[in-house]
Amino acid sequence: EAGVAQSPRYKIIEKRQSVAFWCNPISGHATLYWYQQILGQGPKLLIQFQNNGVVDDSQLPKDRFSAERLKGVDSTLKIQPAKLEDSAVYLCASSPKRDSADTQYFGPGTRLTVL
Amino acid sequence: DAKTTQPTSMDCAEGRAANLPCNHSTISGNEYVYWYRQIHSQGPQYIIHGLKNNETNEMASLIITEDRKSSTLILPHATLRDTAVYYCIVRVEWGSQGNLIFGKGTKLSVKP
Repeated sequence: EAGVAQSPRYKIIEKRQSVAFWCNPISGHATLYWYQQILGQGPKLLIQFQNNGVVDDSQLPKDRFSAERLKGVDSTLKIQPAKLEDSAVYLCASSPKRDSADTQYFGPGTRLTVL
Repeated sequence: DAKTTQPTSMDCAEGRAANLPCNHSTISGNEYVYWYRQIHSQGPQYIIHGLKNNETNEMASLIITEDRKSSTLILPHATLRDTAVYYCIVRVEWGSQGNLIFGKGTKLSVKP
């Protein structure tokens, strides 16, 4: 089966610009996650969707980050305006359902560099 | 914050077993031990998980101590493609506390 798809793979922008990332989860997966991974650290959860509803966005910096999952399939993560400290890899993951011991399947990530 | 402690790095000779330790002394009775790995420039990949019994799959074995305060991931015959950062994570099954909280992991280098 096809894995989690993300685009673009790389993005370079200047601070205060806007950027958007796209994720297509594995077909049929109900739950979608966005993570931020700063160099040298493990991924940190930003937001979790169950179908098209937000389950957990407690770690999302809502003053500049936004995410949506229209129709419960694809998702976009936006940063507006970007700051230098937003330089990171943004990972999308999906899992079949949100109950017992779900395995999360990760995409390859989008590497963002903010200059 | 991550609830696990792992060595920062380890080396292993190709073809030998790689034993990656993890301490989780504050683990609760309803928390599972999960292992993921992240190969360079890729997203994390699920390896194995367990509650209290030892587990084995096609990728690895997971040995959990009887008091559940520590565990060891075993790659029985490491290859160069096993070079990666390995994350040990404890999580519950339900609710937001069941989210994956990654630490810095162990960087395993498999050498020829």
